[in-house]
Amino acid sequence: EAQVTQNPRYLITVTGKKLTVTCSQNMNHEYMSWYRQDPGLGLRQIYYSMNVEVTDKGDVPEGYKVSRKEKRNFPLILESPSPNQTSLYFCASSLGIGQGEVWTEAFFGQGTRLTVV
Amino acid sequence: DQQVKQNSPSLSVQEGRISILNCDYTNSMFDYFLWYKKYPAEGPTFLISISSIKDKNEDGRFTVFLNKSAKHLSLHIVPSQPGDSAVYFCAATPRDDKIIFGKGTRLHILP
Repeated sequence: EAQVTQNPRYLITVTGKKLTVTCSQNMNHEYMSWYRQDPGLGLRQIYYSMNVEVTDKGDVPEGYKVSRKEKRNFPLILESPSPNQTSLYFCASSLGIGQGEVWTEAFFGQGTRLTVV
Repeated sequence: DQQVKQNSPSLSVQEGRISILNCDYTNSMFDYFLWYKKYPAEGPTFLISISSIKDKNEDGRFTVFLNKSAKHLSLHIVPSQPGDSAVYFCAATPRDDKIIFGKGTRLHILP
């Protein structure tokens, strides 16, 4: 079954304690990205990756890091989490063919609800 | 500066009637527009898209209309069904492979 898997689904942590949210896809997709969803703000792109070892900033990259060492994995790293990073996070992947077209075959994970206290 | 705007946070429609969800954008360089549907506790799923060179795309009960001069697109769902109750996100892609989402509209289908 084609899917994007995020772990953990729920996480409560304390300010400053480094954490990693993992994302894995089994569709051999080239394009992967991370979003956060906040009330009244919709979905905002954090980082994206067009292929292995290629990553770019989205609209809200501050406080986040990513890596793409393998095609299937795209972890989101919060080196020093702060309460304003409390949010619902989604990972997504797509084929990466064309430009706008990449998103017609996009798959999203089920989300990770992160609370930073 | 919000480039993709969904000005209605929520919309209620009677089952069987037409649901019309609206989206406005400010960037004339967007080349592709998409609608995603999201149920609670799930990730968004792709619904329908339209290229900037077209003005209409239809897929079953779902039709997206694009009015480039007004920088406006709309999603029509006919007839509306209970399973259509969800949050709908409008999204647009500029030519650098980013994607920009609107804030979403929560659609309630009433029995």
